[in-house]
Amino acid sequence: KNEVEQSPQNLTAQEGEFITINCSYSVGISALHWLQQHPGGGIVSLFMLSSGKKKHGRLIATINIQEKHSSLHITASHPRDSAVYICAVILQGGSEKLVFGKGTKLTVNP
Amino acid sequence: GAVVSQHPSRVICKSGTSVKIECRSLDFQATTMFWYRQFPKQSLMLMATSNEGSKATYEQGVEKDKFLINHASLTLSTLTVTSAHPEDSSFYICSARGGGWRDEQYFGPGTRLTVT
Repeated sequence: KNEVEQSPQNLTAQEGEFITINCSYSVGISALHWLQQHPGGGIVSLFMLSSGKKKHGRLIATINIQEKHSSLHITASHPRDSAVYICAVILQGGSEKLVFGKGTKLTVNP
Repeated sequence: GAVVSQHPSRVICKSGTSVKIECRSLDFQATTMFWYRQFPKQSLMLMATSNEGSKATYEQGVEKDKFLINHASLTLSTLTVTSAHPEDSSFYICSARGGGWRDEQYFGPGTRLTVT
C-alpha cells in the first residue's frame, strides 16, 4: 500500500462545477503539499499546509491531521484548471523528502 | 513566487553519451536542491538531495556514478547522466528550497531526456 493515496485517479467535470480531490496518508507527517502538473510537465506548488485550511483564489486546501486526510477544492472550475494534481507529504522526523501520491488527472470540459 | 529554471527543456542524445542538466534558482538562494525522475503516467521519484558545497545524498537504487550531481553554488545544481542508455529516457525535474523543511520547494519546468 502506498503511503500517500489519492482519489479519484481521474476526474472529468463540466466548466463551473465544484471539484474535490482527496488525499489520505498512512504515516506521520510534518506538512503536506498540493502540486499542479500541466501537460507540458512543469510543476507548480499550490499549497503547503500542516493544519487547518488555506485559500488562494478559487482553490481551497484543507487538512485534518487526526484523520490523516487532506482535500483540494476548486470552485467554479474552468478548462484551464485541467491538469494533474499531486498530493505530497513531508514525513515526520526531520526528513526533508517529499513522498508523492500518484496524482489525480482533472479534465474540465467547456 | 520563487522561480526555478532548468536547461535544457528537451534533449535527445545517443546511447553512450553524457548529458548535463542545469537547475538554477533565479531569485533566491537554494541551500537544498532535489532531483526527481518521472516515467510516463507515474509519480515523481526522488533521485537525490543535494546541499550546497557537500556531496549529494542518493536514494536507494539510484547509481551515484551514473547520475552525477554537483551543487557548487547556492543558485546552481547540475545533474549529469553519464553513459546514457535508452532506459534513462525520462522526465527529470529539479526543485529548490531556501531553508529548512518548513520552506516550500519550488519546482523547475523539467527536462525531457530521450536516449536513442
